[in-house]
Parts: sequence; structure tokens; C-alpha cells
Amino acid sequence: KAGVTQTPRYLIKTRGQQVTLSCSPISGHRSVSWYQQTPGQGLQFLFEYFSETQRNKGNFPGRFSGRQFSNSRSEMNVSTLELGDSALYLCASSLSAGGNAEAFFGQGTRLTVV
Amino acid sequence: EDKVVQSPLSLVVHEGDTVTLNCSYEVTNFRSLLWYKQEKKAPTFLFMLTSSGIEKKSGRLSSILDKKELFSILNITATQTGDSAVYLCAVCGSNYQLIWGAGTKLIIKP
Repeated sequence: KAGVTQTPRYLIKTRGQQVTLSCSPISGHRSVSWYQQTPGQGLQFLFEYFSETQRNKGNFPGRFSGRQFSNSRSEMNVSTLELGDSALYLCASSLSAGGNAEAFFGQGTRLTVV
Repeated sequence: EDKVVQSPLSLVVHEGDTVTLNCSYEVTNFRSLLWYKQEKKAPTFLFMLTSSGIEKKSGRLSSILDKKELFSILNITATQTGDSAVYLCAVCGSNYQLIWGAGTKLIIKP
């Protein structure tokens, strides 16, 4: 059974550009959550999608957006990139919605903004 | 404001030692506490705790929750170099959203 797949694995962008990250959950999982991880900050929750609907949103500016498709694949978009957006972006899938269940994480996308 | 605090932030021990990692929380409408191990990038699930005083165990790892004092501990006995990782604690609260601690970086020296 394939795990959670995130693409691309690494990305370098310049300030002001926009970026789209992709996450394919485990087959059968309908919940996808996105996190930003920076050194010493732990995981910061961005948003969660379940059955194509955003269920929860963290405290990030509107430059961060996402969506989920009918096959449960999810994309995250960051517009007008800033240097502080450099981070590891992780997505996690689970069978049920919400954080009250085991989540399976992808390997992440390492975004560097220069 | 909801928060999860892990301690220590980092820990270096020798192989064979026993370690105890701490996670304290102040989270509205507590539902569960989860432990994850992050070795390189993808955190992997260890335990989910919902009830006080009931120990969860998997091999050399065990964890327990105290809902009165609002903390959990993760114990690792007879540590091995493969236990070197960042251990993350997360608490599920209102709106079923996870609040994450900053993690404890554990280094096991041979």
C-alpha cells in the first residue's frame, strides 16, 4: 500500500513568486492536513481538507491556500513568497477528519525562498 | 491560548540508558494526546492517549497520560542508536485541531 506522496521534494523560489505543492494521500484516506515546520518551531497547522471541504484552518495569512480534489489529492499554494516561508511543508493523511486519529505523513517538500 | 510544551528540548544519553520525555499541555476541550517520532522528515505515529492512568506500550516504548495534571510522559528503556530522533507530542482539542509541541531531540551515543 503506497504511503503519502508529496511533490516536489525540494523547491527553490525567489521572493514574490508563488508555489504549488502537491500531496497524494494513502488510498482510501479522505482527510489531508498540511503543516509548516521550521527549526525550533515544531509543526504549525495550516489547514485540513476532508472530502474536498476545508474543515479547519490555522493562523496563517491568506497567501496560504489549499484545495482538495475528488480523488482526495490536495494542493497547497503560497503566493507572494517571503523569505520567512522557507520551511519543510508536510502533509498528513488519515481515514477520519480531525486530529483525533493516527495520521500518516509524507516526506515533505523543502521550500527555500531566496 | 492553547499550548503544548515539551521538555527537555534536547537530550543526549548512552546506549542502554532509560529516558523519559515530557509533554505538558493547556488545551481547550482536550480530546487526545499523540506521540510521534521524527527521524528525518516524515513523523511516524507512536501512541494516542485519551484516558488518564492507562499505559500504552510498544516494545521498549511506553507512554502514560495524566489528565488531572495535564501532562504525558514517553519512556524509552534500553535505548538504542536507532532511537535517535525528534519526538513530537500533539494534543487534539477544540475543533479537533492538533496543537504541536516543539519536540525533544534525542541523541543516543553508542
